[in-house]
Amino acid sequence: AQTVTQSQPEMSVQEAETVTLSCTYDTSENNYYLFWYKQPPSRQMILVIRQEAYKQQNATENRFSVNFQKAAKSFSLKISDSQLGDTAMYFCAFMGAGSYQLTFGKGTKLSVIP
Amino acid sequence: GAGVSQSPSNKVTEKGKDVELRCDPISGHTALYWYRQSLGQGLEFLIYFQGNSAPDKSGLPSDRFSAERTGGSVSTLTIQRTQQEDSAVYLCASSLSGSGTYEQYFGPGTRLTVT
Repeated sequence: AQTVTQSQPEMSVQEAETVTLSCTYDTSENNYYLFWYKQPPSRQMILVIRQEAYKQQNATENRFSVNFQKAAKSFSLKISDSQLGDTAMYFCAFMGAGSYQLTFGKGTKLSVIP
Repeated sequence: GAGVSQSPSNKVTEKGKDVELRCDPISGHTALYWYRQSLGQGLEFLIYFQGNSAPDKSGLPSDRFSAERTGGSVSTLTIQRTQQEDSAVYLCASSLSGSGTYEQYFGPGTRLTVT
């Protein structure tokens, strides 16, 4: 079974600064997908960024980028130029290539301080 | 277009009562998922539908939990004889099809409180 570990229960960052959220996972599969989801107080989970394991290039989406280290089974999220609207819970998630089920980490609560 | 909607937004029920939670997926999405989010267990997968069929019910915690999907659209998650440990946020998601190629879009969830 796959497991996803987020070792930082809470983090804070000053507005306009950069923050990195950590995620490690454990799997025996070679092909899979990794995701970062954001959950603001409204409860709605929003996909921030995704990475296919077969792609060596790290995914980027505007201010969000990942550092994907396949051998180390590490998938960190970097948020640049943090904004107040980035305040939320962030969940790292794993899905096997032949699967449909997301396995989530416990989440990191990020607070952006004005 | 409209996103995934869930009703009710909040539900308070007494222990032992049955509850029904509803999910309206995005139109055209053939895959539908239920997850449960609780303080103790985090986010857990419950069940997956492809069309009206549920090929994977492995996440349902007990036989008190059941789900159905009709017309390839609306899904209902039913919890019978609710227990306090059923208190959680129940999230529904849908995707074009069931694989990691397709993004899962989540609804706002139903917060269930069992007193």
